[in-house]
Amino acid sequence: EVQLVESGGGLVQPGGSLRLSCAASGFTFSSYWMSWVRQAPGKGLEWVANIKQDGSEKYYVDSVKGRFTISRDNAKNSLYLQMNSLRAEDTAVYYCARDRWVRGADNYYYYYGMDVWGQGTTVTVSS
Amino acid sequence: SYELTQPPSVSVSPGQTARITCSADALPKQYAYWYQQKPGQAPVLVIYKDSERPSGIPERFSGSSSGTTVTLTISGVQAEDEADYYCQSADSSGTYVFGTGTKVTVL
Repeated sequence: EVQLVESGGGLVQPGGSLRLSCAASGFTFSSYWMSWVRQAPGKGLEWVANIKQDGSEKYYVDSVKGRFTISRDNAKNSLYLQMNSLRAEDTAVYYCARDRWVRGADNYYYYYGMDVWGQGTTVTVSS
Repeated sequence: SYELTQPPSVSVSPGQTARITCSADALPKQYAYWYQQKPGQAPVLVIYKDSERPSGIPERFSGSSSGTTVTLTISGVQAEDEADYYCQSADSSGTYVFGTGTKVTVL
């Protein structure tokens, strides 16, 4: 069964740090881009960051640049999100998701969306 | 930054058709993707590349595109379709953005 399981969430004080993990199983993890998406209480989805298969490319939403770092360990089938200098507005459920890219007949790669999601882990930033 | 605007809510009677729009504020338009999220659950991809449906998604879900607006259509709405729906796209810098979200209420 294809599965993503997040862990590492919890209560942290403003200015603190937290490291989220996402364990992948049931598919070849090293073949996929991966993303982190968050959802603040009662709010919509916000894409946070993504990382290429080999970790050579990483992208972030402006609000977390310089504070969050996405990484992966393909040998452990795991995705990570290191969150530093946390703020109250970072309070959210954090989901990891698999990004699906498919090579077309023209040999270009086309994005097919986030086709597998974890159940999420809750991060609360509060004093 | 790229923004995707959706109506906050759509109400529809069972068996009727629900249409949810997602408007981009800038060109060039990228493909759009749609996700369904029920309370307390993770999102589920229901449409990719504007109009393609993943395996396992009912045929009543369809997508279309015109200019910088994409539309998710749910034909013959069922009670189980009551959920929040989000569009998603990408900007030219390789980052992604989600729409503001639409709550679909089945009357």
